[in-house]
Amino acid sequence: GQQVMQIPQYQHVQEGEDFTTYCNSSTTLSNIQWYKQRPGGHPVFLIQLVKSGEVKKQKRLTFQFGEAKKNSSLHITATQTTDVGTYFCAFGSEKLVFGKGTKLTVNP
Amino acid sequence: EADIYQTPRYLVIGTGKKITLECSQTMGHDKMYWYQQDPGMELHLIHYSYGVNSTEKGDLSSESTVSRIRTEHFPLTLESARPSHTSQYLCATWGSYGYTFGSGTRLTVV
Repeated sequence: GQQVMQIPQYQHVQEGEDFTTYCNSSTTLSNIQWYKQRPGGHPVFLIQLVKSGEVKKQKRLTFQFGEAKKNSSLHITATQTTDVGTYFCAFGSEKLVFGKGTKLTVNP
Repeated sequence: EADIYQTPRYLVIGTGKKITLECSQTMGHDKMYWYQQDPGMELHLIHYSYGVNSTEKGDLSSESTVSRIRTEHFPLTLESARPSHTSQYLCATWGSYGYTFGSGTRLTVV
């Protein structure tokens, strides 16, 4: 079935550095969603992107959906220790398929 | 406040036991889901329901079963637990802005 590849699998940064995770598909996606899962927690919905080339911002987080709607990225500016967790992209219409996630650790 | 609840939060049980993981929501959502997630790994859809008396199997084959007799309740049952069932089970509903997940049940079968 349709899948998305998420890279990198792991990312370790110093506090204050930027972080980016990428989500790539071989086929066109109708939409993409992003979730954050804190260690020991459950995934929490961050955002949904629907339009080609869409860019949305939430404070230090910037989400992009590619022009061809085959890729997406999540960028965090000046990471903080509260950003620690695994970030998942997901696609689908009411029945989501998740990427494998990018685990972010932040060194204070 | 509308929410989704899962119980128990943690469960350690012996091989061969029957277990039911509870999931309840007060959001009035028709669509509910069960995902299985090993620690630090991706989420796999095992069951979903689009309303009362509607249940379907997900992409990952599972020996568990589900029922949906009431809109707010979507329990998952394992008739005979095995060590291979050790995992985290996450229940979710679909609302206007994507999934809302419960806190999950961490199941360990010994």
